[in-house]
Amino acid sequence: GENVEQHPSTLSVQEGDSAVIKCTYSDSASNYFPWYKQELGKGPQLIIDIRSNVGEKKDQRIAVTLNKTAKHFSLHITETQPEDSAVYFCAASQSSGSARQLTFGSGTQLTVLP
Amino acid sequence: DTEVTQTPKHLVMGMTNKKSLKCEQHMGHRAMYWYKQKAKKPPELMFVYSYEKLSINESVPSRFSPECPNSSLLNLHLHALQPEDSALYLCASSPVVRAGGRTDTQYFGPGTRLTVL
Repeated sequence: GENVEQHPSTLSVQEGDSAVIKCTYSDSASNYFPWYKQELGKGPQLIIDIRSNVGEKKDQRIAVTLNKTAKHFSLHITETQPEDSAVYFCAASQSSGSARQLTFGSGTQLTVLP
Repeated sequence: DTEVTQTPKHLVMGMTNKKSLKCEQHMGHRAMYWYKQKAKKPPELMFVYSYEKLSINESVPSRFSPECPNSSLLNLHLHALQPEDSALYLCASSPVVRAGGRTDTQYFGPGTRLTVL
């Protein structure tokens, strides 16, 4: 089955700095890579996703890059703000019939220091 | 509207109790999921329903019994749980995957915090 490794497990940055979280996956059949943000006491919220036919995607301060050859993808957050503090999960997925099975990374606790 | 709702928000139950968790979405999604999440861990897939039929059961103990009465509702019936079953139970939904499709993103609800005494 798929295995997703995520690093670092904790990350502290100063407000305004950039944050980068990296994930690697094992199954070359995976073709969809979402990133979720989970605040304390809440469910995961999708913040950005990328499919295997695209190398980079950007949405305001958030960007994701994908290197299919190396089987790794990264989340980049620029101009970080205190409200970006949360746990971030990457995931890799392939179709399973008419539904998707997500394999999550272990999570990164991001703390943005004011 | 990308909202998945879950009730109750919190649930405390004894090991002999029977209770149910409820999940609802009105986005027209035909795939629905139950996940279990322990503290400081990623969500773990339990069940997947596709077109109201159970398509994936990740070897979940029979004390957890899922039900999908219609395309908008997903229930998880709980019976004879153990203290180690205490966790955040998350529901998610997505459109079904179509060949070449781009709209199969999973949207999560806020979860039910379950404590088994």
